[in-house]
Amino acid sequence: AQKVTQAQTEISVVEKEDVTLDCVYETRDTTYYLFWYKQPPSGELVFLIRRNSFDEQNEISGRYSWNFQKSTSSFNFTITASQVVDSAVYFCALSEARFSGGYQKVTFGIGTKLQVIP
Amino acid sequence: DAGVIQSPRHEVTEMGQEVTLRCKPISGHNSLFWYRQTMMRGLELLIYFNNNVPIDDSGMPEDRFSAKMPNASFSTLKIQPSEPRDSAVYFCASSLLQGQPQHFGDGTRLSIL
Repeated sequence: AQKVTQAQTEISVVEKEDVTLDCVYETRDTTYYLFWYKQPPSGELVFLIRRNSFDEQNEISGRYSWNFQKSTSSFNFTITASQVVDSAVYFCALSEARFSGGYQKVTFGIGTKLQVIP
Repeated sequence: DAGVIQSPRHEVTEMGQEVTLRCKPISGHNSLFWYRQTMMRGLELLIYFNNNVPIDDSGMPEDRFSAKMPNASFSTLKIQPSEPRDSAVYFCASSLLQGQPQHFGDGTRLSIL
């Protein structure tokens, strides 16, 4: 069964600090997809990134970067020089490529609440 | 392009009333999901439709909950009769294909008094 663990429930940092949000996953599949979503205080869920299991190349998008390591089953998310607008709940999610119950289920972690203090 | 559209944004109603939540997925997306989010349980998948057909409704809490997708551009989630413990934020999401990112609506914040 697939599982996503976000061990950090809440993190507080001071503005301009770097912060890493951890995501550890479990799957028996060799082909799967990993996602990060952001939920700001306004409540909507915003897709940030998708990574498939065959692409271990790290990705950088502005102040955001993602470190995918299959050896440790982790897909960590780093925000560099954090800003108040980064304050949100961040969800990591996993989807196995094989069909379970007729479709590729997506499992979400419980989320990490990030508070950036000015 | 318009994103996933949900209505209403907020709903406050009394216990026992029927509640209907609506969702319009992104055009061309063939997968539609209904989620419920609460502080205690996080994001829970209620039901998944593929090409308008319900594939997995194992997350639907009980018979008071029902969902339909009469066509590719519309889905409803109905609660009848509603109870205070149904209070939550309900999200609809759609994706182009399985394994593709899900795009979420803004959610419906439901309060049952």
